[in-house]
This record gives sequence, structure tokens and C-alpha cells, in this order.
Amino acid sequence: AQSVTQPDIHITVSEGASLELRCNYSYGATPYLFWYVQSPGQGLQLLLKYFSGDTLVQGIKGFEAEFKRSQSSFNLRKPSVHWSDAAEYFCAVGDSSNYQLIWGAGTKLIIKP
Amino acid sequence: EAGVVQSPRYKIIEKKQPVAFWCNPISGHNTLYWYLQNLGQGPELLIRYENEEAVDDSQLPKDRFSAERLKGVDSTLKIQPAELGDSAVYLCASSPRTSGGSRETQYFGPGTRLLVL
Repeated sequence: AQSVTQPDIHITVSEGASLELRCNYSYGATPYLFWYVQSPGQGLQLLLKYFSGDTLVQGIKGFEAEFKRSQSSFNLRKPSVHWSDAAEYFCAVGDSSNYQLIWGAGTKLIIKP
Repeated sequence: EAGVVQSPRYKIIEKKQPVAFWCNPISGHNTLYWYLQNLGQGPELLIRYENEEAVDDSQLPKDRFSAERLKGVDSTLKIQPAELGDSAVYLCASSPRTSGGSRETQYFGPGTRLLVL
């Protein structure tokens, strides 16, 4: 069955520290992979996406993600988090023939001052 | 460029009452999605429109939910009658088109938070 797993329901990181949010997927076709962020009271915003090519993808707000096919993972990273990064982060997977995305349950990021 | 607009932002109703949500997508976006998001979960697709045609409504509970997208622009999602379990956030998203499957970025509105008492 197709699925996306975000193992961490919430993560607490000190401001200025590095961040890695995990995403694992189970998908039959060659996946398209996405990270979205949802701030309180805001809609979901695309951070970055991977279709093919270079497995290290740069996104907005200083985020990057690395696609590792052998591990079925697409982890999101940021070298130094800011208080404004506090939000919920969602990983999603789709493909070239299916418009519908499969979403993870999200990871809530908490920033310690 | 204006984003996806949704209204109302919050709605509290009693069970068995009807409720409607409105969505105005980004100008020029042919594809419109309605999602339901429960607390602590990712979005779940309810219905997808290509212009005014509902091309996928397989996950819409048709006994109580209905949707329309007249003239292929604005859309309304209705629940009648509402049940306690319908309490959730209802998200609207749009994208330019859906060529290439899920390749097109979906742009989301802020959602309508529904509480059914």
C-alpha cells in the first residue's frame, strides 16, 4: 500500500540549531516528493519538491531535502532554525500519472528560545 | 498575486444544521481541490475539479456532502446535515492544471475551521 510516514509527531529544537525532519515513503511508481509547511492560521505552503535529477533539492526559507531511493526517504533539513520556522511540516508523495498526493501526518516543529 | 481565498475562516454550528464553505482560487487556475484535514493528520482529498467538471469525487461522502464550481471559478462545498464527526479544517487548493499527474504545485487557502456541537 502507498503510504508516507513521518515518524516524529513533534520535534523541539533550539533557535540557531540544525534541523532534520524525517519522511519515509512506500510507493509503487517513481515518486514525486514534496515538503509543505503549515503555519498557524495559514494555508499549506510548498517548501520544495523533487521529481528527478539531483537528489539534493533546495527550497525556500533556507530548507533543503535529500532523496535517498535506497532508504525510501526524503528528509528535510535546515542548518540553522529561526523562531519563525515554528510550524507543522508535511511530507507528500505523488507521481506522473496520479494527480492525488499521499500525505504524511505531519511533524510539529517547536523552537526553543 | 492574490492567493486562494476561503470563507468563512471559522464556523460553529449545531449538529444536523447545514453549512457551506466558499473558495476563490488563484486567477487562471483551472484545477480546484477540496480537502478535509483532521487534527494531527495530513489533508484528505474530497473532490477535484477541472474547470467546472468534477473529475474525481470518489472520496466525497455524497449522502451529506455536495460541491459545485459554477463557471469554473469559485467553488462551494456544502454539508447537510452536519454531524459531530465533520468537525475539521476544510482546505481549498488550486493549481494551473494537472498535466503530468501531481507535478503541478498546489496552492492552498487558509482553510475553514468547522466545529459541530
